[in-house]
Amino acid sequence: DVQLVESGGGLVQPGGSLRLSCVVSGFTFSGHWMHWVRRAPGRGLVWVSRVNGGGGSTHYADSVKGRFTISRDNAKNTLYLQMNSLRAEDTAIYYCARGTEYTYGGSALDYWGQGTPVTVSS
Amino acid sequence: QSALTQPASVSGSPGQSITVSCTGTGSDIGSYNLVSWYQEHPGKAPKLIIYDVNKRPSGVSTRFSGSKSGNTASLTISGLLPEDEADYHCSSYTLSSTVVFGGGTRLTVL
Repeated sequence: DVQLVESGGGLVQPGGSLRLSCVVSGFTFSGHWMHWVRRAPGRGLVWVSRVNGGGGSTHYADSVKGRFTISRDNAKNTLYLQMNSLRAEDTAIYYCARGTEYTYGGSALDYWGQGTPVTVSS
Repeated sequence: QSALTQPASVSGSPGQSITVSCTGTGSDIGSYNLVSWYQEHPGKAPKLIIYDVNKRPSGVSTRFSGSKSGNTASLTISGLLPEDEADYHCSSYTLSSTVVFGGGTRLTVL
């Protein structure tokens, strides 16, 4: 079975940093684009970032560009999101999700983790 | 990267059909046939039900269908069932090589 398990969330002060991890199993990790998506309290889903199977192509939402870095370790079947200069508006549950093999750029997401909460507050 | 626009809520009775709209711009929905729809029940992970505007992943009911006209995509659910009550989210690939979601629509089955 395909599984995605996020970790690394928590409480951090404004301006601080966190690194989220997403360990996957049940599929060939290197064969898929991977994404981070977040949901602020009471709000809808917001796409954050994506990385291709080899890790060499990354893209970011304007709201996180220059502050967040997505990466992956295919040997460890793990996706990361390094979050720096965190702001109150980054408070959300962060989900990792797998891009499908059959859509351009893995733009459709067919498996999601359960999420890890991030709270940015002093 | 403004969010796609969806109605906050829609409702319908069992057996009826409903349509959820998703409006974007020429930089996202209008530029690609790469619209996806997700069904989300409370406490569960989102489930992909439509991709590439009108394609269904294996195992998704044929009662779900998608379409697009210009900058607006639509999800139609026919023969409403009580278990269709959920939140529905659209997304689109963009000219910036990013992905953008809509705000989500709550479907109530009366």
